[in-house]
Amino acid sequence: AQKVTQAQTEISVVEKEDVTLDCVYETRDTTYYLFWYKQPPSGELVFLIRRNSFDEQNEISGRYSWNFQKSTSSFNFTITASQVVDSAVYFCALSEAYNAGNMLTFGGGTRLMVKP
Amino acid sequence: KAGVTQTPRYLIKTRGQQVTLSCSPISGHRSVSWYQQTPGQGLQFLFEYFSETQRNKGNFPGRFSGRQFSNSRSEMNVSTLELGDSALYLCASSLNSNQPQHFGDGTRLSIL
Repeated sequence: AQKVTQAQTEISVVEKEDVTLDCVYETRDTTYYLFWYKQPPSGELVFLIRRNSFDEQNEISGRYSWNFQKSTSSFNFTITASQVVDSAVYFCALSEAYNAGNMLTFGGGTRLMVKP
Repeated sequence: KAGVTQTPRYLIKTRGQQVTLSCSPISGHRSVSWYQQTPGQGLQFLFEYFSETQRNKGNFPGRFSGRQFSNSRSEMNVSTLELGDSALYLCASSLNSNQPQHFGDGTRLSIL
C-alpha cells in the first residue's frame, strides 16, 4: 500500500532563512504522481506542484524549488528567503496511476512558521 | 474562473442525525473527490466520482456515501452521525485522472 511520510511536524524559521520540507514516499506502482499542497490558516488546500515518476528533473518556481529523487523515494520542497506569508501547513501527497483515479494519499503535513 | 464551492461552510449536528454536504466543481471538471481532515487522522480519502460513477472508495464505513449529478456537482451524505465524524470535509475537482486536484474551502462539521 502507498504511504507518505513527512517526518517534520513543525518547523520554525526567521524571515529570509531558507527552509527545506522533507517528504518520503512508498509505492509498489512504477507510475505514480507526487504533489505538494499548501494549507494556510483559512483552510483551503492550494495546489503547488505535480510531478510524475518518470520526470526526475528538479523544478524551480520563484522562491520555491523541488528535488525529486527516485533512488531515495524523496520529493523535498525548499523555500528560499522565506517570508511570513509562507506560514502554513504543507502537505506532500501521492497518487498511483493503476487505479485510474484521483485517490491522493497525504503525508501528515509540516507546519511552517516564519517569524518576522 | 470560479473555484470549487462547498456548502455549507459550517454545520452543527447531534449524534444519530444525518447530514448532506454539497460541492460544485470547477466548470469543466468531471472528477470530484472527497476527503476528511481531522487532527488525529490527518487527510483521508473518502471517495471519488467521475461521470456520475464512483470510481474509487477509501476505507470508511457504509454510513458515508456520495453521488454525482449530470452537471458534475456532488453531494456526500453521512448517516447516523458519531462524535468521531467531527471534521473538516474537503471536496476537490480535477479534469481527469492524476491531474492536479483543486480544493474548496471545506465544510466544518461538528457533532455534539
